Amino acid sequence: ETGVTQTPRHLVMGMTNKKSLKCEQHLGHNAMYWYKQSAKKPLELMFVYNFKEQTENNSVPSRFSPECPNSSHLFLHLHTLQPEDSALYLCASSQLDAGDGYTFGSGTRLTVV
Amino acid sequence: AQSVTQLGSHVSVSEGALVLLRCNYSSSVPPYLFWYVQYPNQGLQLLLKYTSAATLVKGINGFEAEFKKSETSFHLTKPSAHMRDAAEYFCAVSDRNQGGKLIFGQGTELSVKP
Repeated sequence: ETGVTQTPRHLVMGMTNKKSLKCEQHLGHNAMYWYKQSAKKPLELMFVYNFKEQTENNSVPSRFSPECPNSSHLFLHLHTLQPEDSALYLCASSQLDAGDGYTFGSGTRLTVV
Repeated sequence: AQSVTQLGSHVSVSEGALVLLRCNYSSSVPPYLFWYVQYPNQGLQLLLKYTSAATLVKGINGFEAEFKKSETSFHLTKPSAHMRDAAEYFCAVSDRNQGGKLIFGQGTELSVKP
């Protein structure tokens, strides 16, 4: 596989469930990102990882827990979510200086019921 | 700090008409600039980028953008719209003071009427 792969593509979960989103990149990039995209709202940067170290957390609620075991994999662990957390969650990767921009995955459409 | 403003959250054109999506940026250093396209329930796909070479940049799907330093603009154009161009378009600037992190605009939804 090439590019950035996100799984699952769709996820429906109850407010008491625990689930994880997975992102994998095969581009040799050193930076990875999680974004939240809600309907009619701008892209919201959630977390940034450089060389698997978290460098940015934009006041994201603790019910979202990221994990980056290596430069190729990024997870977003979800627990006790709220209906307003329903959104498209996008993963992206880049070289550290982002001179070539970001490469995005296709996203996970999350619905919290 | 860098910032991006996309003028118009929604643009509607007829098929075959000129597409013009506006983007203005602010940056204290020479910027890298990008345009992305997003189709429904998909991720963002890079259309084109400016990285201080030619000021007129050609991208995929017949789109192009011109970097105008004096106007701090990077507008996206396409001479003739197709129905398949209907999508959300995002302009972004690279914050080279923060390791190249991209700052995205609010997005412009392009509708194409038959």
